[in-house]
Amino acid sequence: QVQLVESGGGVVRPGRSLRLSCAASGFNFNTSSLHWVRQAPGKGLEWVASLSSDVTAVYYADSVKGRFTIFRDNSHNTLYLQMDRLRPDDTAMYFCARATFFGAINFFDYWGQGMLVTVSS
Amino acid sequence: DIQMIQSPSSLSASVGDRVTITCRASQSVIYSLNWYKQKPGKAPHLLIYSASTLQSGVPSRFSGSGAETDFTLTISSLQPEDFAIYYCQQSYSLPLTFGGGTKVEIK
Repeated sequence: QVQLVESGGGVVRPGRSLRLSCAASGFNFNTSSLHWVRQAPGKGLEWVASLSSDVTAVYYADSVKGRFTIFRDNSHNTLYLQMDRLRPDDTAMYFCARATFFGAINFFDYWGQGMLVTVSS
Repeated sequence: DIQMIQSPSSLSASVGDRVTITCRASQSVIYSLNWYKQKPGKAPHLLIYSASTLQSGVPSRFSGSGAETDFTLTISSLQPEDFAIYYCQQSYSLPLTFGGGTKVEIK
């Protein structure tokens, strides 16, 4: 079955870096569009970044642009989120998610279990 | 950016009740509107996509309707496992945006 498993979270000081990983299985990773979505404690969902299957389309939320980098390793079925210059307001549960497209329609049909990132001094 | 406004932000209901949640977009998203359910400590999961298409495996008591800027999620007969937070999300344009959520609680 489809699985997305995040790792790499933890506690980090402001200004430091952290890299999240999302290991995928059970579907054709190479042809899938993948995203990161985060949720601050007690808050709603916020889309963070997306990466197309052929890596030609990369997009970021304004809140992370210039600090976060989304990339993938298709040979290892793994999605990454490199987070630099972290700030306290980046504290959140980070989910990786697969997007499925039907023509112009797209939606997140599979999600990882989430990985907590805490930015605190 | 397209803002998504959900109402109510929370509601109390009993098992067997009919529940309706609304989602309004700040501009037209045509039919590019999805609904997710999230239980505490868990990842969201997809209920409905393209405004009204039920995701495989989702019980038929869930239904969605609407177009352009106004959308509705209806649970025809609330079950114990339906107490959760529900989010709408537009996939019409970047940045992808979610509504603030509607918490469905037990009365």
